[in-house]
Amino acid sequence: DAKTTQPPSMDCAEGRAANLPCNHSTISGNEYVYWYRQIHSQGPQYIIHGLKNNETNEMASLIITEDRKSSTLILPHATLRDTAVYYCIVRVGRDDKIIFGKGTRLHILP
Amino acid sequence: KAGVTQTPRYLIKTRGQQVTLSCSPISGHRSVSWYQQTPGQGLQFLFEYFSETQRNKGNFPGRFSGRQFSNSRSEMNVSTLELGDSALYLCASSFGGRQETQYFGPGTRLLVL
Repeated sequence: DAKTTQPPSMDCAEGRAANLPCNHSTISGNEYVYWYRQIHSQGPQYIIHGLKNNETNEMASLIITEDRKSSTLILPHATLRDTAVYYCIVRVGRDDKIIFGKGTRLHILP
Repeated sequence: KAGVTQTPRYLIKTRGQQVTLSCSPISGHRSVSWYQQTPGQGLQFLFEYFSETQRNKGNFPGRFSGRQFSNSRSEMNVSTLELGDSALYLCASSFGGRQETQYFGPGTRLLVL
């Protein structure tokens, strides 16, 4: 079972910031939070990951709460090309598997 | 740097046949993981290979097998195909350490008739 919980879908207006939430209340102290997205029938694309501190790269920002039980992926200026399913992932177990949940389907509205 | 490549991209087989899919990881990556994606079950982990050895395995029947070569390229084989094996098969590569970022290929879409 996935260790993360995400809303099944979200809408965001084009040009606005898209804020995608994720709950990971059972995360362990040394487990990273990863975000991937999958545009229709393509392979998942790595976006960003973090452990404790907030992270930013050219694609997005990741805000992790101080207790690490939840995080938010921020796409600062959403475009139609950001329409995709976004997966928040915590690697599980000693064998470090990636367990995908259902993700959040993000619709960008023109 | 070239990304993860998978061949073939599309494949049609009939029930009972077997199929072999290939994955070439990013240069320098030693770990290759395989996933199956179906509309009903989502993305499911099949297995991971590291340095030519299977390191992790998901909950799939023995008809699903794989191997990795000394150059880190990996193949996945499915024998005695069933209609339910129709899916997008994805591979991902990483350097292989714990919590290393995995990068996915475009996938092979398999249709079993």
